[in-house]
Amino acid sequence: DADVTQTPRNRITKTGKRIMLECSQTKGHDRMYWYRQDPGLGLRLIYYSFDVKDINKGEISDGYSVSRQAQAKFSLSLESAIPNQTALYFCATSDLQFGGLETQYFGPGTRLLVL
Amino acid sequence: DAKTTQPPSMDCAEGRAANLPCNHSTISGNEYVYWYRQIHSQGPQYIIHGLKNNETNEMASLIITEDRKSSTLILPHATLRDTAVYYCIVKLQGAQKLVFGQGTRLTINP
Repeated sequence: DADVTQTPRNRITKTGKRIMLECSQTKGHDRMYWYRQDPGLGLRLIYYSFDVKDINKGEISDGYSVSRQAQAKFSLSLESAIPNQTALYFCATSDLQFGGLETQYFGPGTRLLVL
Repeated sequence: DAKTTQPPSMDCAEGRAANLPCNHSTISGNEYVYWYRQIHSQGPQYIIHGLKNNETNEMASLIITEDRKSSTLILPHATLRDTAVYYCIVKLQGAQKLVFGQGTRLTINP
């Protein structure tokens, strides 16, 4: 979805390096998410944020940190990259609607390779 | 979140209707059914959602059985660009995440 952008789209880094993945959205949504996808394992939630002052750990937050700089921006950092963090990373946004409906919209993904 | 079961793969001829089934027998009354698809390594794309009634949009139709224990996503005139993995997801109100299972790998054949 063009309303959710991720940078960079591809990144190669070395073990031990700190890197940041960025996500921006123009949908005006309060909620933002970071997922990673590994072959055969589906998408797993890393961190999520329901507003600028609300940050929550997902199921696999170890080794990652996030920053919600504004409603529209949510960054994911790998403090010290390791090879098993090689994966496809997706950012998503959503807005909670009346009745509990919540549709998430995903960015195009960042392919990360840690050597 | 309620568990969903989908066939691992399906084939469909181009131009024909593709019918993708999903079982969600443990669904509760306030859980929506969502369908997403992922075209090779791209971000998952929202297709449609439903609660109790059948739904239709510009991409697809969603048929939900009266007991809500299963649903079918219908792509009325499949094209080669519809080749993707399709995910059926049931999400409880207030749950933080979508749980993507293995989905159905749909291949549209010329």
